[in-house]
Amino acid sequence: EPEVTQTPSHQVTQMGQEVILRCVPISNHLYFYWYRQILGQKVEFLVSFYNNEISEKSEIFDDQFSVERPDGSNFTLKIRSTKLEDSAMYFCASSESAGESYEQYFGPGTRLTVT
Amino acid sequence: AQSVTQLDSHVSVSEGTPVLLRCNYSSSYSPSLFWYVQHPNKGLQLLLKYTSAATLVKGINGFEAEFKKSETSFHLTKPSAHMSDAAEYFCVVSFLRGFQKLVFGTGTRLLVSP
Repeated sequence: EPEVTQTPSHQVTQMGQEVILRCVPISNHLYFYWYRQILGQKVEFLVSFYNNEISEKSEIFDDQFSVERPDGSNFTLKIRSTKLEDSAMYFCASSESAGESYEQYFGPGTRLTVT
Repeated sequence: AQSVTQLDSHVSVSEGTPVLLRCNYSSSYSPSLFWYVQHPNKGLQLLLKYTSAATLVKGINGFEAEFKKSETSFHLTKPSAHMSDAAEYFCVVSFLRGFQKLVFGTGTRLLVSP
């Protein structure tokens, strides 16, 4: 069964450094998402991406964050200058389309630790 | 605003006994509701979804959930727990904003003992 993959599974970085989290969505999917979960808190929506554009972003997704689909298979989340509060599990998801009958398929997550 | 409340952070059951994971939602209009499960080191997997069709929804692995509008609840049940059911379960509400925006509950960790 096709699945969403994410790399790395765990990333440790120092405050102020740039990180890039990588995701490979399911190949025929057109909508892509990033969510994050700070330890002990809810999974929160960050951003949705369609047709090479951000379709919506949350208030968390400030100028330090960016997303890109650099080729036909990868979908990346970049954090330009990491802060301690960026430490979280980051989930990538993809869906074939946008309607309510289309499931979002999630990757296993990347645990980001900022020291 | 859309939100969900999962009433229990942890639920412990014995193998073979029933499972009940509770979820209440808040929505300004008819919601779509989901239960996702996350096993260790795995992605979030859709267990079942309610999208205004039948109020009793059957999902994978013997789980089902009943949408009760009068109680604003969407509790997840299974008649007989299996060791492999031990995982984190998330109740989720969604609303359409050109795409399906998911709003997650805080999660319930299900522990199953032999």
